[in-house]
This record gives sequence, C-alpha cells and structure tokens, in this order.
Amino acid sequence: GEDVEQSLFLSVREGDSSVINCTYTDSSSTYLYWYKQEPGAGLQLLTYIFSNMDMKQDQRLTVLLNKKDKHLSLRIADTQTGDSAIYFCAESIPGGYQKVTFGTGTKLQVIP
Amino acid sequence: DTGVSQNPRHKITKRGQNVTFRCDPISEHNRLYWYRQTLGQGPEFLTYFQNEAQLEKSRLLSDRFSAERPKGSFSTLEIQRTEQGDSAMYLCASRGDTQYFGPGTRLTVL
Repeated sequence: GEDVEQSLFLSVREGDSSVINCTYTDSSSTYLYWYKQEPGAGLQLLTYIFSNMDMKQDQRLTVLLNKKDKHLSLRIADTQTGDSAIYFCAESIPGGYQKVTFGTGTKLQVIP
Repeated sequence: DTGVSQNPRHKITKRGQNVTFRCDPISEHNRLYWYRQTLGQGPEFLTYFQNEAQLEKSRLLSDRFSAERPKGSFSTLEIQRTEQGDSAMYLCASRGDTQYFGPGTRLTVL
C-alpha cells in the first residue's frame, strides 16, 4: 500500500542547513517529490527525483534517496526566513493515472 | 500566467447549498487531477481525467461530488448539498513531465 510519513516540525536558525526526512512504503514508486506550501497557498514543486537515482542537487537543495530503506531527505543549505513553510514529501507509483500520494507535511520554522 | 489557475480562490457557503469550482490546467497538459486538503494534512487524491475522460475516482468522492472536463481543457468540481465536513482546500493539478498544482480553492461551509 501507499503510505508516506514525515516528522511534523523542524526548527533551524537562519544560515544553518535544514534536513527534512521522509519514509515511504511503496517500493514501486517511480518519482519522489518535494513540494513547498506557504500559508494559504497552493503547492510549489521544489524538486523531484527518479527512483533510479541516489541524489539530485539543485542550487541550495539536495535530495538523497535510499531506496533500500525507502528513505528520502531534502537538505536546504543556508536556510533563509523565506524558506519557512510546510514541506511535503510525495510519491507516485506506476500505473494508468500516476496519482501522487502525499505525506502529512513538515513545518519548517526558520529562526532569524 | 501559464500555470494552473483555479477559481474562485475562496468560497463561503451555507450548509446544504451547491458549489462549483473551476480549474484551468496548463494548456498542453492532457492529464488533470483534483485533490482535497484539510487542515494539517497533505492533499488527498479525489479524481483524475485524461483529456475529457474521467478515469479514476477516489472513494473520498461521495455521490454529492461530481467532476467534469467536457472539452478536455478546463474542469469543474461540483459539490451538492454541502456539509461542514466538506470545508477544505480543493486543489487542481495538471501533468506534463510532472505534476503542477494550482493555488487552490478554499471552501468554508457554515
């Protein structure tokens, strides 16, 4: 079945690195995503990784995938106050319509 | 703006009324999704269209909910006889290489 889990809250100081973790259960996941949601807004796709990759880097963002442990992480380098938001981990599995299953989100608080 | 758009952004209604939301996907995307997000939760899948065909519906989509995509472009989601439990953010997404979300319609049922 599909289940995506995240810790609920993370607090970091401005300038430090943030690491948000996620575990998923469906080993057939093809894409794994990180979305950002600011208060009252829709979801912004930050980055995604194919399941046959171990790592992806995009400017301040680094995604690490441990497929054996079904563990995904998002590292934000030099965290800024504008990074304060809820971060959702999500997976899609192969199939006709490739729906995306989301975790409950991790609220990142950046302390100035 | 070439992203996914949704209207209205906010809707307040009284219990028992009908409401309709609209989603305009990214123009070249033939796949369209509706999700519902309640407070403190991630979005949950409701339904999926490929072009004008509705190919999948979640068990969350009760008989009071209906979605259409008549010409394979924009889509509407209607909720009949709204209940307080329908209060949520309704998100639309369209998919090309990956899935892009609209800003959502926040529904409040009084």
